Amino acid sequence: DQQVKQNSPSLSVQEGRISILNCDYTNSMFDYFLWYKKYPAEGPTFLISISSIKDKNEDGRFTVFLNKSAKHLSLHIVPSQPGDSAVYFCAAEPRNTDKLIFGTGTRLQVFP
Amino acid sequence: NAGVMQNPRHLVRRRGQEARLRCSPMKGHSHVYWYRQLPEEGLKFMVYLQKENIIDESGMPKERFSAEFPKEGPSILRIQQVVRGDSAAYFCASSLDRGLGNTIYFGEGSWLTVV
Repeated sequence: DQQVKQNSPSLSVQEGRISILNCDYTNSMFDYFLWYKKYPAEGPTFLISISSIKDKNEDGRFTVFLNKSAKHLSLHIVPSQPGDSAVYFCAAEPRNTDKLIFGTGTRLQVFP
Repeated sequence: NAGVMQNPRHLVRRRGQEARLRCSPMKGHSHVYWYRQLPEEGLKFMVYLQKENIIDESGMPKERFSAEFPKEGPSILRIQQVVRGDSAAYFCASSLDRGLGNTIYFGEGSWLTVV
C-alpha cells in the first residue's frame, strides 16, 4: 500500500516562475512531513519539513503547505531556478517510529 | 550529504554471490538507517540500528538480508545469495538523536547490480 503518493512523475517550469509539487497521503498518524531533493547518483538532501500541527512553513524560496482535511501537502518553489532541476521526494514520519515513508518522486525540470 | 560515507559506490555481483555494503555515519552520530530505492520507485525503509542494537528491522526482507552496527567500525548491510531483484540503490543515513526526519543525513548511496 502506497501511503504517500506523488501522482505527477514530472513537472516542467520556466525559470522565474513558481513550481508546485504535490503529495497526498492516506495515513492520519503522520507526525511530520518532509521534502527531499535528489540529484542523480547522489543521496537525498533535506529541504524543508512541516509538523502535522502546522499548515504552512516557509524557508527562503521554499514553502510547504499542509491541508490535513484533504490529506494533501505541496511544495512551492518561487522563483524557480535551473539549479532546482532534480527529483523531489515527499516523505512522512509515522508517529512513534524512526522511519520515513517516501513517495515515488517528481522530476522537476526548470528551463531558461 | 557530506559526512555519511558509503562504500562501495558501485558493486556488481553475480547471482548467488554475497554483497556487503558499508556505511560510516557522520561523526558523533550513533543512529543509522538503511533505505533501498528500486528503479522508478521511492526510497523504502529497511532497518534502523543503534550501536550494537537493531531497533527496527520491519522493512528488511525476511531472508538473505542482515544488518549490523558494531561498537567499532561501520554499519554493514549484508545480502546473501543475491538475485536480480536485489539490484537497487542502497542509501544509508545517520542522525544524532532519534526522530524528526530533518535531522537525518543521507549518504550518496551504493548501487548494487546483480548480473
